[in-house]
Amino acid sequence: DAGITQSPRYKITETGRQVTLMCHQTWSHSYMFWYRQDLGHGLRLIYYSAAADITDKGEVPDGYVVSRSKTENFPLTLESATRSQTSVYFCASSGAGRRTYNEQFFGPGTRLTVL
Amino acid sequence: GQNIDQPTEMTATEGAIVQINCTYQTSGFNGLFWYQQHAGEAPTFLSYNVLDGLEEKGRFSSFLSRSKGYSYLLLKELQMKDSASYLCAGSYGNNRLAFGKGNQVVVIP
Repeated sequence: DAGITQSPRYKITETGRQVTLMCHQTWSHSYMFWYRQDLGHGLRLIYYSAAADITDKGEVPDGYVVSRSKTENFPLTLESATRSQTSVYFCASSGAGRRTYNEQFFGPGTRLTVL
Repeated sequence: GQNIDQPTEMTATEGAIVQINCTYQTSGFNGLFWYQQHAGEAPTFLSYNVLDGLEEKGRFSSFLSRSKGYSYLLLKELQMKDSASYLCAGSYGNNRLAFGKGNQVVVIP
């Protein structure tokens, strides 16, 4: 199916466990992003990637790791989950062409609970 | 980071007009996006402003003043389905966006 997908949609884990959230897009967009959304904070950028093998930190990167070996995939790993990482995680992608603007397209989100 | 400020919640009647304001830091600013987010769903793109002035798109319009660091989203002829959170986001280079906390609009009959 075309578009941007995330898996799993819901995840419950325990403190200290490693968790990987997957993101896949079929548009061949250059840019991909990971956000977390919490009440009172809005969407905050965790990491982003301008192309395969190019990643950079966003506003709240601590405790997270990303990789991008292929253009279409951008997994986010919580190395040792903490309760403060309970949140809704959104992946997004955007192109980098010659358009006036490049809006970000969001995946459906992953609701993560850390017990 | 870039401070994006929005009021948090407003209630309006079906058929009414609502204006949602947003202020942003002008340093490094490229353009202003508005997104709509229904409860439990992903944000979806509504509009983009890069030049000063009003952009109209059906019942929704968005305004930008670059010198004042100010934007607003105007929702006309409100419908029940417009009940959602409206997010403004400043574009500051490298395709990165800085989002405000969102403004929850509740439409009542």
